[in-house]
Amino acid sequence: QVQLQESGPGLVKPSGTLSLTCVVSGGSISSSNWWSWVRQPPGKGLEWIGEIYHTGITSYNPSLKSRVTISVDKPKNQFSLKLASVTAADTAVYYCARLTTVVTKNWFDPWGQGTLVTVSS
Amino acid sequence: DIQMTQSSSSLSASVGDRVTITCRASQTISSYVNWYQQKPGKAPKFLIYVASSLQSGVPSRFSGSGSGTDFTLTISSLQPEDSATYYCQQSYSSPYTFGQGTKLEI
Repeated sequence: QVQLQESGPGLVKPSGTLSLTCVVSGGSISSSNWWSWVRQPPGKGLEWIGEIYHTGITSYNPSLKSRVTISVDKPKNQFSLKLASVTAADTAVYYCARLTTVVTKNWFDPWGQGTLVTVSS
Repeated sequence: DIQMTQSSSSLSASVGDRVTITCRASQTISSYVNWYQQKPGKAPKFLIYVASSLQSGVPSRFSGSGSGTDFTLTISSLQPEDSATYYCQQSYSSPYTFGQGTKLEI
């Protein structure tokens, strides 16, 4: 079955750019699904960051849109997240997830195991 | 954005109890609600889609209901392994939003 694995630096300096990659295994990123990033600050709830389709079409949460870029690398079967101008408020566990779509219904499944990114000098 | 509000931040119950977790949307969203279970240090696990459809492999003691703005997740006979935080999520429109979570202690 499809599995996702996040990777990237665990520590980013304030005002810097957070960069993460999610590798998709057991299936093709070019399937008819969207691929998302979701984050969870320590002890808090889940926040959807944005998503990408294999054609490169993206959709972002308006609350983060000015700072977020999501891209796809089809040959490597992976997609990536960049979040610019980070502050301590961006410290969170970052998850990648597939937005599984069946007709008009969709849900997040599966998820990566998550990676903690801390913003600190 | 559509706000999802879970009425309880935490619940305490005993093994064998029947528990209901509620979630309210800030506008009508038909049945476009999903439920997830999250244990400490783990990624969320997908449980229920479109309000009442059980994901394959999820125990039948879990069920969901509701439409419009009010939704519920019910666990019919609590087991020790059900101790977790549960989140509702709307998939009616982007940005997709989650409830704040209900921590279930057993």
